[in-house]
Amino acid sequence: DAGVTQSPTHLIKTRGQQVTLRCSPKSGHDTVSWYQQALGQGPQFIFQYYEEEERQRGNFPDRFSGHQFPNYSSELNVNALLLGDSALYLCASSLSGNEQYFGPGTRLTVT
Amino acid sequence: QKEVEQNSGPLSVPEGAIASLNCTYSDRGSQSFFWYRQYSGKSPELIMFIYSNGDKEDGRFTAQLNKASQYVSLLIRDSQPSDSATYLCAVQDSNYQLIWGAGTKLIIKP
Repeated sequence: DAGVTQSPTHLIKTRGQQVTLRCSPKSGHDTVSWYQQALGQGPQFIFQYYEEEERQRGNFPDRFSGHQFPNYSSELNVNALLLGDSALYLCASSLSGNEQYFGPGTRLTVT
Repeated sequence: QKEVEQNSGPLSVPEGAIASLNCTYSDRGSQSFFWYRQYSGKSPELIMFIYSNGDKEDGRFTAQLNKASQYVSLLIRDSQPSDSATYLCAVQDSNYQLIWGAGTKLIIKP
């Protein structure tokens, strides 16, 4: 039974560029949540997708957008990258928003 | 503002002893409580969840919840060096959003 997968593992981008991160949920899960985690801090909630709709959103600007596909996989898009966007981006899947299981994360570095 | 508070540590515990990690939360409407373990450079791993007042045991781990005091704790018995990690407390609000503490760094000394 495959767990949550994310791609890519690492990414280096330049300020002003755009990035797309991908997530495939654990088998049987229908909900995907995205988090940003800076070094030494807890994860910060970006948004959650359920039934292809954004169900909840944290305190992140509109530069952060997402999508969920019919197979429950999801993408996180970040436009106009800033140096402060450098972080570990985590995807978590769950069944209807209950216990959340994390993927390995994508380490984004903005230079 | 919904908040989850944890002592940042580090908490140093001798091998074989009991490690006690604590968490308080501000939202009285919270229903679900989670403990995650995170090794340096890795993603969080769910190790315990608890929904009702009282204790919940799973192997060497026990989660304790007291909703009246807005307090949740994690006990690790027979601590091992491999338990050295950052432990994150997360509280789920009525909108399924997880509110996270900043984590407690636990060090198990051989």
